[in-house]
Amino acid sequence: AQKITQTQPGMFVQEKEAVTLDCTYDTSDQSYGLFWYKQPSSGEMIFLIYQGSYDEQNATEGRYSLNFQKARKSANLVISASQLGDSAMYFCAMREGTDSWGKLQFGAGTQVVVTP
Amino acid sequence: GAGVSQSPRYKVTKRGQDVALRCDPISGHVSLYWYRQALGQGPEFLTYFNYEAQQDKSGLPNDRFSAERPEGSISTLTIQRTEQRDSAMYRCASSPYLPGQPRFRTFTYEQYFGPGTRLTVT
Repeated sequence: AQKITQTQPGMFVQEKEAVTLDCTYDTSDQSYGLFWYKQPSSGEMIFLIYQGSYDEQNATEGRYSLNFQKARKSANLVISASQLGDSAMYFCAMREGTDSWGKLQFGAGTQVVVTP
Repeated sequence: GAGVSQSPRYKVTKRGQDVALRCDPISGHVSLYWYRQALGQGPEFLTYFNYEAQQDKSGLPNDRFSAERPEGSISTLTIQRTEQRDSAMYRCASSPYLPGQPRFRTFTYEQYFGPGTRLTVT
């Protein structure tokens, strides 16, 4: 069964606009971590933001924020004030409680194109 | 500082040949992970190590794939008798897992990815 679901294969967003990338996850563990990574066309994987299942506040890192809705099992990434350099593939990933330092399970990704 | 490095960056091999892919993690990182990424997809877990111990190899597709990390630093992923379906980007990542940390903290250790090795089997 798919653990991480990203339903938006691709999105266009205008520069300076905000964009929300959807991510839903499936786990029966109480402890887990959720991550977002950015993959530009150069191919590198860049860590953006992390949310722990016990964190009461939504995570924020600069222009990135994570809209964490535990009951809905969703962890959407919000990018505010989009820039041309934000054009990239974005992956949501989860690490589950039974393997707290182990593997990340990734979604299929969302391709974001920022237009002037 | 130096990040995760992988070599070679590109490898073209003929079907049936063996290949060895190398990963050099960030200095001092205890945990090392291997992933495979098909074009347009997210990385797929293969295996990981804490120090030299292979903790989980559940993602290795079959017994043609193996990995080792004999001294707890550099790791090698070996694919024997390569097939065309093995063509993909192979990524290594490392993480500063620190034994003895409270469990809830260990989730926070993000994985730092290398540039990957693009493997093409012809």
